[in-house]
Amino acid sequence: GNSVTQMEGPVTLSEEAFLTINCTYTATGYPSLFWYVQYPGEGLQLLLKATKADDKGSNKGFEATYRKETTSFHLEKGSVQVSDSAVYFCALSDRNSGYSTLTFGKGTMLLVSP
Amino acid sequence: NAGVTQTPKFQVLKTGQSMTLQCAQDMNHNSMYWYRQDPGMGLRLIYYSASEGTTDKGEVPNGYNVSRLNKREFSLRLESAAPSQTSVYFCATGDNFNTGELFFGEGSRLTVL
Repeated sequence: GNSVTQMEGPVTLSEEAFLTINCTYTATGYPSLFWYVQYPGEGLQLLLKATKADDKGSNKGFEATYRKETTSFHLEKGSVQVSDSAVYFCALSDRNSGYSTLTFGKGTMLLVSP
Repeated sequence: NAGVTQTPKFQVLKTGQSMTLQCAQDMNHNSMYWYRQDPGMGLRLIYYSASEGTTDKGEVPNGYNVSRLNKREFSLRLESAAPSQTSVYFCATGDNFNTGELFFGEGSRLTVL
């Protein structure tokens, strides 16, 4: 079956530091890949996505590239801010006719200090 | 523009009690989902509904039932709550273009004593 593995947290960084959160996946076929973010007390919201190999998703300074050869979708940001403190989930979609189900990683908490 | 609305936001139950979590969406999406979130476990799919009138089991359906009342509403019922069902529950909808993107409610925190 499908699975997503992401690095355990918490990841603790100082403001303006470089961020990498690793994500690898196992899937049949050609899934789409996602990063979702969950701020404290809120539901998940889509951060970025990529639908095919070599695609780069980007949003709010975050980037991730769909690497089929290494089955990876690592999240990066060049300079983190305190407001980026949240839990980040890597996910893949298993698309069927008319709907999709997402398989999530366990989440990585990011803590950014001033 | 409410999006996905869940009620209640918080609930405390005793073992053996029953309750229903309600979810309503105004996004005109066909598919709806119920996930549970537990520390160190990520999100796990309980049930989903690809369209009005259909429901299917996800990864962890035991102890739960669902009803897709109409296109807007998808409820999750615990018939006899157990402490292992203490969790945060999220309802989500999927867009009709089958991109895989889900839209989440704010969650319902359930504690079973």
